[in-house]
Amino acid sequence: GAGVSQSPSNKVTEKGKDVELRCDPISGHTALYWYRQRLGQGLEFLIYFQGNSAPDKSGLPSDRFSAERTGESVSTLTIQRTQQEDSAVYLCASSPLGGYSSYEQYFGPGTRLTVT
Amino acid sequence: AQKITQTQPGMFVQEKEAVTLDCTYDTSDPSYGLFWYKQPSSGEMIFLIYQGSYDQQNATEGRYSLNFQKARKSANLVISASQLGDSAMYFCAMRATDSWGKLQFGAGTQVVVTP
Repeated sequence: GAGVSQSPSNKVTEKGKDVELRCDPISGHTALYWYRQRLGQGLEFLIYFQGNSAPDKSGLPSDRFSAERTGESVSTLTIQRTQQEDSAVYLCASSPLGGYSSYEQYFGPGTRLTVT
Repeated sequence: AQKITQTQPGMFVQEKEAVTLDCTYDTSDPSYGLFWYKQPSSGEMIFLIYQGSYDQQNATEGRYSLNFQKARKSANLVISASQLGDSAMYFCAMRATDSWGKLQFGAGTQVVVTP
């Protein structure tokens, strides 16, 4: 079956521009997550959506970052006025359930963002 | 605050040997979950194994086993009979009950399997 997909796979943008990153979760997965991975580092949690509940935005690094999700499908992560420190791979994941469960998160291939 | 620590930045292991990757964690929550993920050079994150804090037995999945020592707050991953395809970055992660959707990841350990 289809896994988590993300687009674009690579994005090069100039400092100060806005970017939108898209994530299509696995069909039927109610939970969706965004992470950021800087070069050579571990993953940093950004935001989490679970069904119709209010998203957990506690990981967003600044108000330049925002994300939306349409129902239990597509999510878009938007970064406004990009800075060079935003350069990273942005990973999306989904899982059948959220909250406290043993279900693993299924990750997409990521979007590599480079801010010049 | 929770914290995940992986102290081994990199390791070499010979093919067919076993390797242990260290992971320690710090949390005040009595209930939590621990995960290990593999990230090959291609970049995808692959789930390997899960251990719940109340699980009585150590988790095993094929060649992967998790050495869970709750009192020491450690959750080491053991890979038996290493294969060349095991060369990758390995991340330990924790989910706690007060952060329902959030996985907190360690810095990772780079494993290189040599013939």
